[in-house]
Amino acid sequence: GAGVSQSPSNKVTEKGKDVELRCDPISGHTALYWYRQSLGQGLEFLIYFQGNSAPDKSGLPSDRFSAERTGGSVSTLTIQRTQQEDSAVYLCASSPHPGQGGGELFFGEGSRLTVL
Amino acid sequence: SQQGEEDPQALSIQEGENATMNCSYKTSINNLQWYRQNSGRGLVHLILIRSNEREKHSGRLRVTLDTSKKSSSLLITASRAADTASYFCATDERAAGNKLTFGGGTRVLVKP
Repeated sequence: GAGVSQSPSNKVTEKGKDVELRCDPISGHTALYWYRQSLGQGLEFLIYFQGNSAPDKSGLPSDRFSAERTGGSVSTLTIQRTQQEDSAVYLCASSPHPGQGGGELFFGEGSRLTVL
Repeated sequence: SQQGEEDPQALSIQEGENATMNCSYKTSINNLQWYRQNSGRGLVHLILIRSNEREKHSGRLRVTLDTSKKSSSLLITASRAADTASYFCATDERAAGNKLTFGGGTRVLVKP
């Protein structure tokens, strides 16, 4: 595909269950971000992968949240023992520009998580 | 905490009018970007301005950057109903490994 792909697009789960959200970045992009967006709010940074460097996990809100990126491509965000406050849209973005100066981010359409 | 803060939080204008929104940030940056988000969709990149630039244009968009005041503005000229969306600024902090952090956004409503 030409863009960033996220799945599932919608996920409804019960409190206490674990969920996995997947992100397929644009091929060749070295940087990958996860953000969380609550209804009507801005984007909250969660985690940032850049090439083979150790990920920046400084935005993960608790130890129930974890993410990995396999082979420098696909990423999975896992939320264990979900709580109602985890309900949000989880956005993934990738970027072709490594190193200094940042670069344009290409976003997926997001995964909307609802915890009942 | 958010690096960028947009002002106003919401803006309602008539088609044909100009829309101006501002972004303030706290630390030194390499660049500042503006993104647009239609309701229920992902964000789309609009424009990037580097810290050594003061103004940049792209079509009906004009972005300014004042690093001394740590602020930026986005101007949309001759607005259209299709410009209705939320607009976010994003900054990459020099001290934070280039990760991009976003503000809370400005919700713009352009009435036909």
